[in-house]
Amino acid sequence: GAVVSQHPSWVICKSGTSVKIECRSLDFQATTMFWYRQFPKQSLMLMATSNEGSKATYEQGVEKDKFLINHASLTLSTLTVTSAHPEDSSFYICSATGVGQKVNEQFFGPGTRLTVL
Amino acid sequence: QKEVEQDPGPLSVPEGAIVSLNCTYSNSAFQYFMWYRQYSRKGPELLMYTYSSGNKEDGRFTAQVDKSSKYISLFIRDSQPSDSATYLCAMSAGTGGFKTIFGAGTRLFVKA
Repeated sequence: GAVVSQHPSWVICKSGTSVKIECRSLDFQATTMFWYRQFPKQSLMLMATSNEGSKATYEQGVEKDKFLINHASLTLSTLTVTSAHPEDSSFYICSATGVGQKVNEQFFGPGTRLTVL
Repeated sequence: QKEVEQDPGPLSVPEGAIVSLNCTYSNSAFQYFMWYRQYSRKGPELLMYTYSSGNKEDGRFTAQVDKSSKYISLFIRDSQPSDSATYLCAMSAGTGGFKTIFGAGTRLFVKA
């Protein structure tokens, strides 16, 4: 099956610093990648959709200057949380779909737990 | 009204029981229906993928879609403690800008 990896799996940082999270599709070309945020015991909240080589499309209420998304290749997308604050602490999950996948079939990474002190 | 409604549970069953998980939806344009399993502190894992109405079976799992009632179900036979997880339903109208909408997830506990 399709495999998506995320790095790092967890990160702790000080308030005001920036954190970059990588999402990689390991065995298929991901034409579209999604970034989600999940709070404890809640469902996935879509933050943005990125297509390879294009600017990301952000959901309403998500600050694009704070959550920078880059999808420069068919196997890599990055999410940078700029000037992180404690309220940004959450579980961030990426998913990918693309060549060889069924319509709307998303494969998820293992997630990154961000804690901002 | 949310586009997709899913009882968050928790649902607790004994080992070996048949589990029924359900979602209702309001958008008649949805055609693609998925079920994901998510273990604690992990990313969701795709369990079942169904297009349009009907049933699909994979091992102990059966997915049912009733578009006339806007209702989908996931059945787990012979449930095991390892099935304890959160199950999320998801659905979409298709490509071309249609988003996948996720349910809130149902937490399932299977007791040994």
